[in-house]
Amino acid sequence: DTAVSQTPKYLVTQMGNDKSIKCEQNLGHDTMYWYKQDSKKFLKIMFSYNNKELIINETVPNRFSPKSPDKAHLNLHINSLELGDSAVYFCASSLLSTGELFFGEGSRLTVL
Amino acid sequence: DQQVKQNSPSLSVQEGRISILNCDYTNSMFDYFLWYKKYPAEGPTFLISISSIKDKNEDGRFTVFLNKSAKHLSLHIVPSQPGDSAVYFCAARDAGNNRKLIWGLGTSLAVNP
Repeated sequence: DTAVSQTPKYLVTQMGNDKSIKCEQNLGHDTMYWYKQDSKKFLKIMFSYNNKELIINETVPNRFSPKSPDKAHLNLHINSLELGDSAVYFCASSLLSTGELFFGEGSRLTVL
Repeated sequence: DQQVKQNSPSLSVQEGRISILNCDYTNSMFDYFLWYKKYPAEGPTFLISISSIKDKNEDGRFTVFLNKSAKHLSLHIVPSQPGDSAVYFCAARDAGNNRKLIWGLGTSLAVNP
């Protein structure tokens, strides 16, 4: 039973396309996150939602739009994909009070 | 400007010996520190943490030490095992910024049999 699951695991697409990555957690956590790990392996937070409310919104292009339909789900939609969007995107969840994040396996996005 | 620095990108240790991974930080508003372990093609996994009010936390073979005056923490693994070979990330929680975690770049540990 996967605690934090994200789909798809691999995504290859052309520049200019729109794509979504979905994330679900079954840990009962109140906070969910999207991280981007770039080619230099740096983990950088993009968004964080606490009880469906956006609490962290880093300097990310408007082409990236998170959507949290409920506390257990946080999806990431990306419009007009660019080459520089190629990276591994990690979803994570936690209880805001503890700060211990549980990560999904990552979704490797390749933009051609 | 990196607020959390792991200055050693890689470390190689013999099985059975001690592994020491270091992490330095600059922000005095950090109130909680965490270590994560990451295998290839997997997400990071929480390993151990320490509150800023403590100087040591131990969990089995893993011990984290915090030196607040030096703004330095370290993760000790003893004895090291080949299965410990992974990338280790240090992260610090910013109490003044929505409890956001700030991450280091990671140290790749190789434990040789």
